[in-house]
Amino acid sequence: KQEVTQIPAALSVPEGENLVLNCSFTDSAIYNLQWFRQDPGKGLTSLLLIQSSQREQTSGRLNASLDKSSGRSTLYIAASQPGDSATYLCAGLAEKLVFGKGTKLTVNP
Amino acid sequence: GAVVSQHPSRVICKSGTSVKIECRSLDFQATTMFWYRQFPKQSLMLMATSNEGSKATYEQGVEKDKFLINHASLTLSTLTVTSAHPEDSSFYICSVQGQETQYFGPGTRLLVL
Repeated sequence: KQEVTQIPAALSVPEGENLVLNCSFTDSAIYNLQWFRQDPGKGLTSLLLIQSSQREQTSGRLNASLDKSSGRSTLYIAASQPGDSATYLCAGLAEKLVFGKGTKLTVNP
Repeated sequence: GAVVSQHPSRVICKSGTSVKIECRSLDFQATTMFWYRQFPKQSLMLMATSNEGSKATYEQGVEKDKFLINHASLTLSTLTVTSAHPEDSSFYICSVQGQETQYFGPGTRLLVL
């Protein structure tokens, strides 16, 4: 049974700082790994999708990596801004999409 | 990507009543849609997979007679919570299966008093 863990559960940083969010998964037989953003009381916005054959994806200030052998993914956010404040979820797709509990990020002006 | 809407965005009901939540794919024909539930500070948990024109597939532990799913068209799936109880209070999110990823609706907050 796939389990996805995200560390830390919450993170507070000053504006401009670079930061890393961590995600680990127990079953390496995933098709892809995705990172989502969720604002309070809202649905999910897809940020990055990494196929199992890929090692990383980049979009603007975001970079996500995938290491299937170790069961880890990281989301790197460069030059953080207050508008980045949200909960970030990672999810692994095998038979179904399995989510972690998320990391709640607060970027302070 | 696909645009997905949900209605209502928020609903409060009395214990024992039934509540219907709609999920619409506005610009994409959705053969497969998913229903998730999210309790506070918990991860999204898949409840069921909804296939157009056929019966939904429920995850283990989800009562199919309590959570009725109808996917009669390629643009609409509905989730009906029957005889709702306070423990059913949660955030319900639907998604549409796209080519590579799922597109999520904005969610419905259900509060059962």
